[in-house]
Amino acid sequence: DIVMTQSPDSLAVSLGERATIKCKSSQNVLYSSNNKDYLAWYQQKPGQPPKLLIYWVSTRESGVPDRFSGSGSGTDFTLTISSLQAEDVAVYYCQQYYTTPPTFGQGTKVEIK
Amino acid sequence: EAQLVESGGGLVQPGGSLRLSCTASGFTFSTYWMSWVRQAPGKGLEWVANINQDGSEEYYVDSVKGRFTISRDNAKNSLYLQMNSLRAEDTAMYYCARDSSQRFRFDPWGQGTLVTVSS
Repeated sequence: DIVMTQSPDSLAVSLGERATIKCKSSQNVLYSSNNKDYLAWYQQKPGQPPKLLIYWVSTRESGVPDRFSGSGSGTDFTLTISSLQAEDVAVYYCQQYYTTPPTFGQGTKVEIK
Repeated sequence: EAQLVESGGGLVQPGGSLRLSCTASGFTFSTYWMSWVRQAPGKGLEWVANINQDGSEEYYVDSVKGRFTISRDNAKNSLYLQMNSLRAEDTAMYYCARDSSQRFRFDPWGQGTLVTVSS
């Protein structure tokens, strides 16, 4: 199975400041036939189910604010919140959908400092 | 708007069985792969199983193989998870999720149904 490892486990950021979450996969999730990395990010707010934020590393789901951005390739990926808002307090998960079983990172909890 | 509503969770003794249901609306259910994903209390996300559009293909995480069975009824827009030989480690919130335009990429998710395995 592909192991997804996120860092840090938690971070506290001041309102309006940048939050950066790293995700590393134990294997390449780049599919050579279409040159796409099968990597998504989800946001889970307290008491709610996860919500798809970003897929194909950097494509924002419809309605997701542009302060959320994704980058990376191969085995190393990053989710950035450019200017943290109060409503962004949540746990963020990366996930590979390259192969069975799909696997998630352990999650990164983002809080307000 | 696509929506998923789970039901069937509850308290069950170790070794017992439970059947979860998920009712879909707002999209053409029969054209999508569907999955179950679980989350133990205070823990992360674990994909459990998925099924293809006509129910002819099923895939499971190793820890539930032989104990859980995923199925669907396209006429009823419903997804199911039959869980047998339940263990304490199966205690979790179970989410129904649609595999989006890409298999294993989940959107949307239901609100979840809680399964507690305890004596």
